[in-house]
Amino acid sequence: ETVLTQSPGTLSLSPGERATLSCRASQSVSTRDLAWYQQKPGQAPRLLIYGASSRATGIPDRFSGSGSGTDFTLTISRLEPEDFAVYYCQQYGGSPLYTFGQGTKVEIK
Amino acid sequence: QVQLQESGPGLVKPADTLSLTCVVSGGSMSSGSGWWSWVRQPPGKGLEWIGEIHHDGRTTYNPSLRSQVTFSLDKSKNQFSLKLNSVTAADTAVYYCARNGAFSVDYWGQGTLVTVSS
Repeated sequence: ETVLTQSPGTLSLSPGERATLSCRASQSVSTRDLAWYQQKPGQAPRLLIYGASSRATGIPDRFSGSGSGTDFTLTISRLEPEDFAVYYCQQYGGSPLYTFGQGTKVEIK
Repeated sequence: QVQLQESGPGLVKPADTLSLTCVVSGGSMSSGSGWWSWVRQPPGKGLEWIGEIHHDGRTTYNPSLRSQVTFSLDKSKNQFSLKLNSVTAADTAVYYCARNGAFSVDYWGQGTLVTVSS
């Protein structure tokens, strides 16, 4: 099983600041197989990034994904008030077919 | 725009079977990759993928739940279902149905909380 470890657990930032979230895999993951989600309280997750760097439909360009191999990053260039949420990375392939990181909470400082 | 809606009992007794149904609207079950997932999230915790079902009926389960779970689908009603047997308190979670896209999950239902308690 590929284990995804996200860091930091919590990120305390102010609106307008840049957020950098990390996702490290226990073994190499194809860029095709890495995605990021945003989840707000009481809501379902929302797909932000697939294929490590492709934005999903309707996702603002302040969200960007990068990385390869075992290290992936989600960057929010300038935090908007609606961006404070929990973010999960996910990988496809292996067993189980989909695994998620434990999440990074982005909170208002 | 694909929409998914889960339904089923919100309370299940320990050792009983948890049954949920997901109705798909705004698209057919062959849309996207043709695979449809169930994902759960215990209160205050992270996401766990339960498994997936294809519109042709093929299934893939999370090995950690394989002995407990069964998926089925009814294409005539554009819906698919989850049965989880012999439930315990550890199965208390919000259960989401979702559509698989390109090696990711692109559409999600709103989720339904299922509590296992006597």
